[in-house]
Amino acid sequence: SQTIHQWPATLVQPVGSPLSLECTVEGTSNPNLYWYRQAAGRGLQLLFYSVGIGQISSEVPQNLSASRPQDRQFILSSKKLLLSDSGFYLCACPRGSGSPNTQYFGPGTRLTVL
Amino acid sequence: GENVEQHPSTLSVQEGDSAVIKCTYSDSASNYFPWYKQELGKRPQLIIDIRSNVGEKKDQRIAVTLNKTAKHFSLHITETQPEDSAVYFCAASPNTNAGKSTFGDGTTLTVKP
Repeated sequence: SQTIHQWPATLVQPVGSPLSLECTVEGTSNPNLYWYRQAAGRGLQLLFYSVGIGQISSEVPQNLSASRPQDRQFILSSKKLLLSDSGFYLCACPRGSGSPNTQYFGPGTRLTVL
Repeated sequence: GENVEQHPSTLSVQEGDSAVIKCTYSDSASNYFPWYKQELGKRPQLIIDIRSNVGEKKDQRIAVTLNKTAKHFSLHITETQPEDSAVYFCAASPNTNAGKSTFGDGTTLTVKP
């Protein structure tokens, strides 16, 4: 079964500072990877998904970007954070080959922008 | 694109009572409907799912029903326990390689002992 690592676990950043969140996946090869954001008390918003190295699809316009430099690595970045970027960021991959549409989530990164 | 609406946003029940959470979806191409449970400060985890070729599925105290014609599906929890307290999310996705899911906004369930 797969394992997802995310770091850092928590982050406090000032407005206007850059951001880099990392997600790595073990136990699976060439997985689809997803970045979600969960604002306080809200649902899960899909930000980006990737079907392979270098292939990124953006779901919502924003000041965030994503990259997939390696098969099992997915990075979320920003050049200048906004207050509205605060939230719980979750990386996800399919739960298994038999469940391609079921999301298995990483432990998440809680970002606070001050 | 797909739009999923979830109701109610908050639900409080007495221990032992049943809880029902309802979701509607808009895209007739969606054919997979998972439910996730998120405990405070933790990641969402799958608790049950249903595919469009099935009308109902049950796993111990939880069950999910699907009405394809009306485009709505529901989560039923019977004999609720305090440990059922959490945020529950429904989702809908089409059967594509990308496997993208559209989530509802969540229901905060509180089970009072």
